[in-house]
Amino acid sequence: NAGVTQTPKFQVLKTGQSMTLQCAQDMNHEYMSWYRQDPGMGLRLIHYSVGAGITDQGEVPNGYNVSRSTTEDFPLRLLSAAPSQTSVYFCASSPGGLAGGHRTGELFFGEGSRLTVL
Amino acid sequence: GENVEQHPSTLSVQEGDSAVIKCTYSDSASNYFPWYKQELGKGPQLIIDIRSNVGEKKDQRIAVTLNKTAKHFSLHITETQPEDSAVYFCAASRGSGGYQKVTFGTGTKLQVIP
Repeated sequence: NAGVTQTPKFQVLKTGQSMTLQCAQDMNHEYMSWYRQDPGMGLRLIHYSVGAGITDQGEVPNGYNVSRSTTEDFPLRLLSAAPSQTSVYFCASSPGGLAGGHRTGELFFGEGSRLTVL
Repeated sequence: GENVEQHPSTLSVQEGDSAVIKCTYSDSASNYFPWYKQELGKGPQLIIDIRSNVGEKKDQRIAVTLNKTAKHFSLHITETQPEDSAVYFCAASRGSGGYQKVTFGTGTKLQVIP
């Protein structure tokens, strides 16, 4: 059972470069989200999606783009990387979404992608 | 929006002792309070959760209590073992328009000393 798969696990970028962090889940979850984890700041929501074709901003969306063309995939794009985006990024999914089901429930996290921007 | 405060940020206990982590939340509409454990190099994993219609929930050595009036909830780990060493996050969540809005605390690094 793969669960939530994130790639790459590690990435080093130069300021101004762009890249995409990939996230895929095989649990048919409607809800997917991206968090960043920084020391002393916990997990902060970047963007989320309640179903294919629907995305919305979280707490810290600036500098990031997302799309949700399929239920399985939710890529996170960094448009022009900045040192402030150095962080560990986690993708998470949950059964809850627009079609109903559990409106609040367990988040299933990937193992994270560590990004360094020089 | 919701604000979740978590204390302490670090906690060291001797093996076999108990550990308590406390969180407060600000949004009275929050109705779901999960706790996640994050081991080194891994993503957070749910270990226990409680909903707002329950005051206490236990699962073997871990328990969570919720005081809705005071807007605080706590994680209790008894008979701690070295494998309990990890970072623990509390969170507060509420359903809104078909999705859940989850706010995490800043985490507690628990070290269990053998």
